[in-house]
Amino acid sequence: KAGVTQTPRYLIKTRGQQVTLSCSPISGHRSVSWYQQTPGQGLQFLFEYFSETQRNKGNFPGRFSGRQFSNSRSEMNVSTLELGDSALYLCASSLEGGIGREAFFGQGTRLTVV
Amino acid sequence: KNEVEQSPQNLTAQEGEFITINCSYSVGISALHWLQQHPGGGIVSLFMLSSGKKKHGRLIATINIQEKHSSLHITASHPRDSAVYICAVRLGTGNQFYFGTGTSLTVIP
Repeated sequence: KAGVTQTPRYLIKTRGQQVTLSCSPISGHRSVSWYQQTPGQGLQFLFEYFSETQRNKGNFPGRFSGRQFSNSRSEMNVSTLELGDSALYLCASSLEGGIGREAFFGQGTRLTVV
Repeated sequence: KNEVEQSPQNLTAQEGEFITINCSYSVGISALHWLQQHPGGGIVSLFMLSSGKKKHGRLIATINIQEKHSSLHITASHPRDSAVYICAVRLGTGNQFYFGTGTSLTVIP
């Protein structure tokens, strides 16, 4: 069974641009969560979607947004990119968030803002 | 204050050594994951624990819910175990994790 797929794997953008990252969960998984990993802050929770609804949101500015489609694929968008947005963006999926539900992580998208 | 504390931050071991990485957390959790991250970024979930102990090959993970503490042990370490190991705790019923800062392990042949 295919794992969590994130596209693209690598991305270079210019400050001020916007970017959209995609996450395709494992088939049948309805919960998708997003994380940002930077050398200084480590892994931080961005948001979680379940059945097309945002269920939880981390402490990030409104420039970071996301959505989930009816097939559970999720996208996150970052507008007006800043140099500090350079990071590895990871998504994870599970059948549903909950006790006993194991999460599976993707390979990540490495975003570089220049 | 970080809800999840890991130690040590860096660890160098000789091949064959027994390794222990510790994780302490300060909040009530529904589950704890031990994750492995190799250079290049991809994260693999090694274990999910809500109680007791689990073993996969040379890896053993334990959790003590009352003491809010978990350990990851690697027996007979090997250079291919070199990676960053991250403790992640799940709060409540959502899929929201809080992460430790990671332990960078280097196993020398």
